[in-house]
Amino acid sequence: SYVLTQPPSVSVAPGQTARITCGGNNIGSKSVHWYQQRPGQAPVLVVHDDSDRPAGIPERFSGSISGNMATLTISRVEAGDEADYYCQVWDRLSDQMLFGGGTKLTVL
Amino acid sequence: QVQLVESGGGLVKPGGSLRLSCAASGFTFSDYYMSWIRQAPGKGLQWVSFISSSGSTIYNADSLKGRFTISRDNAKNSLYLEMDSLRAEDTAVYYCARLKVGYGVGHWGQGTLVTVSS
Repeated sequence: SYVLTQPPSVSVAPGQTARITCGGNNIGSKSVHWYQQRPGQAPVLVVHDDSDRPAGIPERFSGSISGNMATLTISRVEAGDEADYYCQVWDRLSDQMLFGGGTKLTVL
Repeated sequence: QVQLVESGGGLVKPGGSLRLSCAASGFTFSDYYMSWIRQAPGKGLQWVSFISSSGSTIYNADSLKGRFTISRDNAKNSLYLEMDSLRAEDTAVYYCARLKVGYGVGHWGQGTLVTVSS
């Protein structure tokens, strides 16, 4: 079955750029979505369909795909960005929604 | 604004059953695909089930082996999840989710906690 692989953790200093990766075979053929989840809260969509931002999400959040890797980039990181981040796709071959294992972003 | 409010969670014994509900408001419920997604304590997100806008198409996570059944009542703006043969590993917060066109989750409920324990 299709697998999405994320690093368990990423650390970055305030004001720097965080890059969170999501690897999957031929991921470019799928629509990739990204979620932010703060402790004790429901997830929030921050990027959908590879690189689109929902209304209300800061421009600091962006998504891209290259080869077998999707990347969520957070520019000018703030303390409030500290959270778990998940990538997600819909696998049309199996008709299953799949999530990556999640990445904990720590702001140093 | 879009609201998804789950209910029906609680403590249930292994082997028992539970029915979750999700009350939707602030949008035309019958226009949207919906899903249930769960999160075990301290773990990541796991998709459970999908239902099309009319209810005619349903997909379930292979790992659930047919124990869970999703349904909807568009007249009542409600989504349901019937859970049978519950196991300790089904303990999780269950989220109701409204899907976007590309099958991303545009809106999440706040979740309802299901605890399976004797």
